[in-house]
Amino acid sequence: GQNIDQPTEMTATEGAIVQINCTYQTSGFNGLFWYQQHAGEAPTFLSYNVLDGLEEKGRFSSFLSRSKGYSYLLLKELQMKDSASYLCAVSYPAAGNKLTFGGGTRVLVKP
Amino acid sequence: SQTIHQWPATLVQPVGSPLSLECTVEGTSNPNLYWYRQAAGRGLQLLFYSVGIGQISSEVPQNLSASRPQDRQFILSSKKLLLSDSGFYLCAWSEQPEAFFGQGTRLTVV
Repeated sequence: GQNIDQPTEMTATEGAIVQINCTYQTSGFNGLFWYQQHAGEAPTFLSYNVLDGLEEKGRFSSFLSRSKGYSYLLLKELQMKDSASYLCAVSYPAAGNKLTFGGGTRVLVKP
Repeated sequence: SQTIHQWPATLVQPVGSPLSLECTVEGTSNPNLYWYRQAAGRGLQLLFYSVGIGQISSEVPQNLSASRPQDRQFILSSKKLLLSDSGFYLCAWSEQPEAFFGQGTRLTVV
């Protein structure tokens, strides 16, 4: 199977840090991706990990551990505009690099 | 730069009517193309993907079909819509590594 699990919802305070976890039970993928999706809009690419470790892009960082089947997205210095759904996905090179997504985590940032 | 166009943005169709959603990509050649559907409050479900003209892979059996008549054109079709076909349909393209999405079509079947 290709189970990709994320928490359904998280709430955090403006200026704080939030960590969104993603666990998976799959193999044969070449990268783990994180997308942001605001309500009613298309997803936009945030970051991806091919190798184990931490990738940092401004306020957003993503971590991957293939041996543990685990990734997380870290959002620092939260802003109100960060309220959105965050989607974890893996890509399969043997199948046209298709992305298989988790159910997404809805993050609500409160003042 | 590459751009992806998807239309229409919203669509209301009666049960049993046909469907045709079109997606085109500009500024790239031989991209991988994808159709996803998203039910309200849910994740993205891959419906079809294509690695070249006339090459279609189906992920989920249903009353939808896809075609790729040209390199940068991807079409999602149905002969007879069901109520359960309602959702947010997203076209995407990829060269590697990430995929980029069109703006989506919100389909309501009534």
